[in-house]
Amino acid sequence: QSALTQPASVSGSPGQSITISCTGTNTDVGGYDYVAWYQHHPGKAPKLLIYDVSNRPSGISDRFSGSKSGNTASLTISGLQADDEADYYCSSYTSFSLYVFGTGTKVTVL
Amino acid sequence: QVQVVQSGAEVKIPGASVKVSCRAPGHTFTNYGVTWVRQAPGQGLESMGWISGYNGDTYYPQKFQGRVTMTTDTSTSTAYMELTGLGSDDTAVYYCARMGLGVTHDAFDIWGQGTMVTVSS
Repeated sequence: QSALTQPASVSGSPGQSITISCTGTNTDVGGYDYVAWYQHHPGKAPKLLIYDVSNRPSGISDRFSGSKSGNTASLTISGLQADDEADYYCSSYTSFSLYVFGTGTKVTVL
Repeated sequence: QVQVVQSGAEVKIPGASVKVSCRAPGHTFTNYGVTWVRQAPGQGLESMGWISGYNGDTYYPQKFQGRVTMTTDTSTSTAYMELTGLGSDDTAVYYCARMGLGVTHDAFDIWGQGTMVTVSS
């Protein structure tokens, strides 16, 4: 079971929007609408941002949005802020009744 | 606000086993599925599998089959993850998380603080 593919890094200036892609196969991302996104600041526990492709948990800013097309899911962060600098991971349910994470993307706020 | 508390850091010698616990005081944590995720130094998040809160069924990736055992104790609402045959590449921070959101409770919404496991001779 291979990790989902994400870009290693994405950067943007404060106030800008950035999009992180997450590419899998039809046995994970493309096969189910069970894609989630997590924000991970080093030394802290990961934080759920998006679940079931595009839903936000209570308390998560609407600056974070998710979508999916075919085997690729995307996370968009709008109005980029300094505190958004972190690692971001996608995750998907798979046909093996397991979950797989993406390779992770480091977001830098310039 | 539900908080998940994990057991403390461990140092193990190669070949040993480690058992990490995870509970949420005052919350029936084990009514939900529980997943375990690890992060080795400089690496990304890696799923180690999960245990169903409905029937206790477990699901492990092939990489960990035969080495990992996930259990829950409903009397104390505590989840456990035991990893045997430790090697240096098992040095990592190990997280538990509640599978509490989503149509099929597929999203990991509440995480423990992490447990550092160091494997060294």
